[in-house]
Amino acid sequence: NAGVMQNPRHLVRRRGQEARLRCSPMKGHSHVYWYRQLPEEGLKFMVYLQKENIIDESGMPKERFSAEFPKEGPSILRIQQVVRGDSAAYFCASSPGTAVLAGGAYEQYFGPGTRLTVT
Amino acid sequence: AQSVTQLDSQVPVFEEAPVELRCNYSSSVSVYLFWYVQYPNQGLQLLLKYLSGSTLVKGINGFEAEFNKSQTSFHLRKPSVHISDTAEYFCAVSKAAGNKLTFGGGTRVLVKP
Repeated sequence: NAGVMQNPRHLVRRRGQEARLRCSPMKGHSHVYWYRQLPEEGLKFMVYLQKENIIDESGMPKERFSAEFPKEGPSILRIQQVVRGDSAAYFCASSPGTAVLAGGAYEQYFGPGTRLTVT
Repeated sequence: AQSVTQLDSQVPVFEEAPVELRCNYSSSVSVYLFWYVQYPNQGLQLLLKYLSGSTLVKGINGFEAEFNKSQTSFHLRKPSVHISDTAEYFCAVSKAAGNKLTFGGGTRVLVKP
């Protein structure tokens, strides 16, 4: 059973270009979360999606960032007109949509991350 | 809102010595608690979790953590570390099922021979 897959693993963009980060959740998982890890900082929540729905985007910057999780295909985190401050590691996590663990908490499984460098 | 504080940003420790990583949280509601490990240039791997029940939780790789509700703490311990335990460790909380994780700032553990 493959884990959470993210691609590309490394992405270099020049200022002003667009970055597209992809996340394929674990088989059977219908919940996807995106987190960002800025240099020398911890991980910060960005957005939580279920298939075709954004559930919580309270951590998303108001401009240039968007996310989707279509019915078919991977989840996409899109950053338009990138700036140097967007350089970070972006992690995707997935959790099961219907299986309920003890206590009702959905365990999140993380992908290897995409390291974005903006030059 | 909830927050997580990891009191030590770096912890150097000798091989085969014990280690404790401290984590305190604040929340107005009950939370679920997690410890994750991140090896260099890799994603996060779950070490252990507290959902309910026994306050002493055992995880993978010989780690354990104790939930203390009165002190709002969830400290991680290992009685004898290996070189391979060199990594960054993150404490996290979530409010409910399917909810986002709030992470602490991380603790870098450097195991010395």
